[in-house]
Amino acid sequence: GAGVSQSPSNKVTEKGKDVELRCDPISGHTALYWYRQSLGQGLEFLIYFQGNSAPDKSGLPSDRFSAERTGGSVSTLTIQRTQQEDSAVYLCASSPTGGAFQPQHFGDGTRLSIL
Amino acid sequence: AQKVTQAQTEISVVEKEDVTLDCVYETRDTTYYLFWYKQPPSGELVFLIRRNSFDEQNEISGRYSWNFQKSTSSFNFTITASQVVDSAVYFCALSGGPSGSRLTFGEGTQLTVNP
Repeated sequence: GAGVSQSPSNKVTEKGKDVELRCDPISGHTALYWYRQSLGQGLEFLIYFQGNSAPDKSGLPSDRFSAERTGGSVSTLTIQRTQQEDSAVYLCASSPTGGAFQPQHFGDGTRLSIL
Repeated sequence: AQKVTQAQTEISVVEKEDVTLDCVYETRDTTYYLFWYKQPPSGELVFLIRRNSFDEQNEISGRYSWNFQKSTSSFNFTITASQVVDSAVYFCALSGGPSGSRLTFGEGTQLTVNP
């Protein structure tokens, strides 16, 4: 079975541009998570989806960051007016139902570089 | 707030040596879950083990073993007879309580096993 799929693998863009990152979770998983991994901040939680709703979006660093999930499957993380500090690897994970006891399965990530 | 500390930033060993990776956590929750993930150079986070706060029984899986001690809030990971393929960054993580299923990660320990 397929794992969590993220696209693109790498994205290079100029400061000020908008970017969209995509995550396709494991089929049947209702819970979806976004994390960010950067040198200075380690692995940080961004947002959690249960189905199409986001009960926990407390990790989004600013209002330039938004995410949506449609059809209970694919999710898109959008960063508007990108800044250099947004450069990081953005990781997506999914789990069967979102219970705290469930291991999260991660994708390979999208490496975002802001010039 | 939850916190995970991995005090060892980098560890370097020679193949066949045993190595222990330390993890100390902080939480006010009575029910919580601890995880270890491996991140090889390819970048994908791979789930290794889960432990719940009610189960202090140590676990062994092949060359891997885990020691959970609630009294010292520690969840240490030992690799016996290390191999070059064990070289990776290892993350300890915590979930549960009001933060629900979001994972709080430690800073990670870079393990290098030299031939």
